[in-house]
Amino acid sequence: GAVVSQHPSRVICKSGTSVKIECRSLDFQATTMFWYRQFPKQSLMLMATSNEGSKATYEQGVEKDKFLINHASLTLSTLTVTSAHPEDSSFYICSANRGTDTQYFGPGTRLTVL
Amino acid sequence: DQQVKQNSPSLSVQEGRISILNCDYTNSMFDYFLWYKKYPAEGPTFLISISSIKDKNEDGRFTVFLNKSAKHLSLHIVPSQPGDSAVYFCAASARGGSQGNLIFGKGTKLSVKP
Repeated sequence: GAVVSQHPSRVICKSGTSVKIECRSLDFQATTMFWYRQFPKQSLMLMATSNEGSKATYEQGVEKDKFLINHASLTLSTLTVTSAHPEDSSFYICSANRGTDTQYFGPGTRLTVL
Repeated sequence: DQQVKQNSPSLSVQEGRISILNCDYTNSMFDYFLWYKKYPAEGPTFLISISSIKDKNEDGRFTVFLNKSAKHLSLHIVPSQPGDSAVYFCAASARGGSQGNLIFGKGTKLSVKP
């Protein structure tokens, strides 16, 4: 299989705080990991692509200083939402691939900023 | 401008019958297409994919058809089962999905009635 986990599954935080979301590939080494965001009744929007040991590549319109991505190993990538605001409330999903063209997705993290 | 379009937001099918989900794309550079299934508050689950060098790919009850000249692909599920009820996303990429440039449609919600 190709299992990707995310932690936490749900987080509620106060405006102005930072939140870290972890994405792990459990049974394979991921050459690349991706972070998506999904608003209600909308499609998944790619935020950034990260490769182990190098800086993430952000999509146009995504603030790299706001959404910090660290890809420390072949099985772990983290997304930190810094100084979160209510408009950052969303469903964040990571995915990973293992050298093929198919991405395997994590279960997602529901972020609510009060 | 949407590069991947799923024009039917919802589809209702009787159990045992065929479900046909459609997807259109505009970018002729897309060479790899995927279908994902998604339950609420969960990450997408990979179903089936097809490369542009093929026009059909089959996996059990799932078959994907690709018509490059029409820039159209479809997912057939037969026979449909109540457990197939979910949102189905069509995704496309150029130069292989490993580049991270998976472009998703908005999804079609499939309801399979017993």
